[in-house]
Amino acid sequence: DAGVTQSPTHLIKTRGQQVTLRCSPKSGHDTVSWYQQALGQGPQFIFQYYEEEERQRGNFPDRFSGHQFPNYSSELNVNALLLGDSALYLCASSLGEDWQFFGPGTRLTVL
Amino acid sequence: GQQLNQSPQSMFIQEGEDVSMNCTSSSIFNTWLWYKQDPGEGPVLLIALYKAGELTSNGRLTAQFGITRKDSFLNISASIPSDVGIYFCAGPNTGGFKTIFGAGTRLFVKA
Repeated sequence: DAGVTQSPTHLIKTRGQQVTLRCSPKSGHDTVSWYQQALGQGPQFIFQYYEEEERQRGNFPDRFSGHQFPNYSSELNVNALLLGDSALYLCASSLGEDWQFFGPGTRLTVL
Repeated sequence: GQQLNQSPQSMFIQEGEDVSMNCTSSSIFNTWLWYKQDPGEGPVLLIALYKAGELTSNGRLTAQFGITRKDSFLNISASIPSDVGIYFCAGPNTGGFKTIFGAGTRLFVKA
């Protein structure tokens, strides 16, 4: 069992660009949540996907969007990148409302 | 919204010492979670607490769900160098699907 995998590991973008991050959930999991973790902070909930629909959203602007595919994998898209979007982006998967397993994250740097 | 406050922010201890950290909230949580995050990794669930007053152990770790449902603590006994990392308390928000995290307690263990 590979657990939760994320790609890429690291990414460097410039302001105004767009980025897509990818997540494959743990085998058997159907729910994917995305979190943003700024340096020195705890993870902040962005949104959760279940049955290919966004089920709940945190306090993030519309520049942050996502998608879940029929195989339960997910993408996080961020448009019009700002310097403040630099962070570790974590994907977590679960089976329904059971406990979440986190991936290693994607480190995004915006210059 | 619901928030979690962790203390202390950081701890510097000697190998073999016991450690105690806590988490408080102004609102009630029905579940308390404790995670550990190692550098370059996503958080890993250590202990989950489901009811007020519950005391649960996982090896050298012990956590308790406060009677008021507004606090929880985590104890680590006989610390070892691999205990180094960031410890987060977390909980599912009331009536929703997101998990709220505290800012973390950074633990440093000197051999």
